[in-house]
Order: sequence, then C-alpha cells, then structure tokens
Amino acid sequence: EVQLVESGGGLVKPGGSLRLSCAASGFVFSGYSMNWVRQAPGKGLEWVSSISETSTYIFYGDSVKGRFTIYRDNAKNSLYLQMNSLRAEDTAVYYCARWKGDSGTYFIDNWGQGTLVTVSS
Amino acid sequence: SYELTQPLSVSVALGQTASVTCDGNNIGGKNVHWYRQKPGQAPVLVIYRDNNRPSGIPERFSGSRSGNTATLTISRAQVGDEADYYCQVWDRSTGDVAFGGGTKLTVL
Repeated sequence: EVQLVESGGGLVKPGGSLRLSCAASGFVFSGYSMNWVRQAPGKGLEWVSSISETSTYIFYGDSVKGRFTIYRDNAKNSLYLQMNSLRAEDTAVYYCARWKGDSGTYFIDNWGQGTLVTVSS
Repeated sequence: SYELTQPLSVSVALGQTASVTCDGNNIGGKNVHWYRQKPGQAPVLVIYRDNNRPSGIPERFSGSRSGNTATLTISRAQVGDEADYYCQVWDRSTGDVAFGGGTKLTVL
C-alpha cells in the first residue's frame, strides 16, 4: 500500500523558514516523480512544485519561485520542501503527492494527508 | 501560467446526472484529470487522461473533452458524491501544473 506521510508543519512568523518532509513507503520511491500541492483554508488546490525521479527536472509555481526549494533523497525514500521568506499567503495545508506519468501526461495518483503551515506573527 | 475555469457550484437531484465543466484555452490539446475532495480529506483521483477511471472508482464517473471544455459526468448521483471536484492539466512545454478552482457538488 502506498503511503505518503508529511511532517514539519507548524506556526512560523512572516519572513521565517520551515522545512517540510514526506516519508514514502509501499512503492519504489526512486521510480516516481513527486509533487507538493497546497490548499489555503477554504480555498482550492494550488500546485507548488514538482521534481523528477533523479532530480534532473524541477519546476515551481510562480507564487513560490525563488523562495521554496524542492529536493529528494531516494536513499531515504523522502521528499522535502524548504520554504524561506514565508508570507501570510503561504498559510495552507501542504500535500505530498506522487506524480504518475502516463501516455504523455502527468497526474497525481496518491496523496498524503497533508501538514498545516501557518504563517502569522 | 495556464488557467482552468470551473463553476463554483453544481446541484443535482438524487439519482440524476451531474456535469462539472472545466474550461481552458486549447484544452483540447491537453489531457485532463479530475479529483474529488471531501471535507477534511485529501483529494482522490477519479478520472485520468480525460476518460479513464482508476480502480475503485464506480462506472458512474466518466469524463469527456471537446473543444475548450472538459466535462466530468456523474450518473445516478448519490449523497456520497457530494464533494469538491477539481480538474487538472500538465503543460508539457513548461512543466507547469494547473488546477481548476474547484466545483462544489450538492446532491439534493
């Protein structure tokens, strides 16, 4: 069974930093691209970042570019999101999600339960 | 960045058919995927690559794509289908991912 377990969320002041982690199990982690997707309270889903299997390809959404860094450790079956210069509008539940490639497209076939990040003074 | 537009809400009578639309410029050239999210839960994939159902998703869920609009259709709607539904595309030229704003489905 695929399991994605996020950790590292919490309360942080504006301008601060936080690192999220995602522990993956139940599948060959190094064989899949991964994503972070967030959801602000009462709002819709927003893609944050994607990373390919060997970290060759990395992409970011416009709202986090230059502030967030996605990386992975395949030996530890783990995905990370380093978040710097945090703003109030970064407050959200952050989901770790497995990226499935299929016939020239990508979609998310498994999601974690999410970790809440609150940016407030 | 690529934008997808969904209606904020859709209502359907119990047992009838609901349609949730997703509009995007040149969406006909992209594959569309759909997710269902119930309150307090993580999203779940219900349709991938326009019209394919993952295992465990009932045949009542189907998808289609025509022109600039993709549609998620839920037949014989049940109270358990009440949820927020999101469409998603992947832009192969930029690697960007776009989600629609989400549609709240209410079963009356």
